[in-house]
Amino acid sequence: DGGITQSPKYLFRKEGQNVTLSCEQNLNHDAMYWYRQDPGQGLRLIYYSQIVNDFQKGDIAEGYSVSREKKESFPLTVTSAQKNPTAFYLCASKPGQGGNQPQHFGDGTRLSIL
Amino acid sequence: AQTVTQSQPEMSVQEAETVTLSCTYDTSESDYYLFWYKQPPSRQMILVIRQEAYKQQNATENRFSVNFQKAAKSFSLKISDSQLGDAAMYFCAYRRWTDKLIFGTGTRLQVFP
Repeated sequence: DGGITQSPKYLFRKEGQNVTLSCEQNLNHDAMYWYRQDPGQGLRLIYYSQIVNDFQKGDIAEGYSVSREKKESFPLTVTSAQKNPTAFYLCASKPGQGGNQPQHFGDGTRLSIL
Repeated sequence: AQTVTQSQPEMSVQEAETVTLSCTYDTSESDYYLFWYKQPPSRQMILVIRQEAYKQQNATENRFSVNFQKAAKSFSLKISDSQLGDAAMYFCAYRRWTDKLIFGTGTRLQVFP
């Protein structure tokens, strides 16, 4: 079955530690996205990538980094510079630019501070 | 900047009844797309329905339909014959042709038997 796989489902971070959230898709989609979800605030865009080896900052990119070395993979690193990382993180993908194609979402990763 | 507003943090409906969730948005663009996503307790985001701004006809997907009022910048979701499985957070979202999705803050829908 085609879809988006996020791992791990739960992740804990110690102070000063970088952690990486995995997002893999086998839908052959060009575009991939990372969102952060906090209670009462909906989803906010962290980073997105329209093609391999290219990505752009979203609305809340500070304290995060990404890479897009392969079409299928778009890992998100939460760095120690992100002072409030506790949230639910959702990865999404879409066939390409434009059109009415919706984004498809993974099941999410919940990140907490130890 | 584009914004999406969902003014109802919570709504409730009795099983088999109809409920309407509100969404308004602000944009100066004429060509864009609107979406409703459902997020059940499992937290997965599921597309419910989509609407192209250039289409005057309101989109319909089985029990789900929208009332798209372009001049008023309103995009409400109507759920008919509500079922217990409809209980979830519902998010309205806006997107320009090549741009990113902008989400509202969501409406929590409870369905009572």
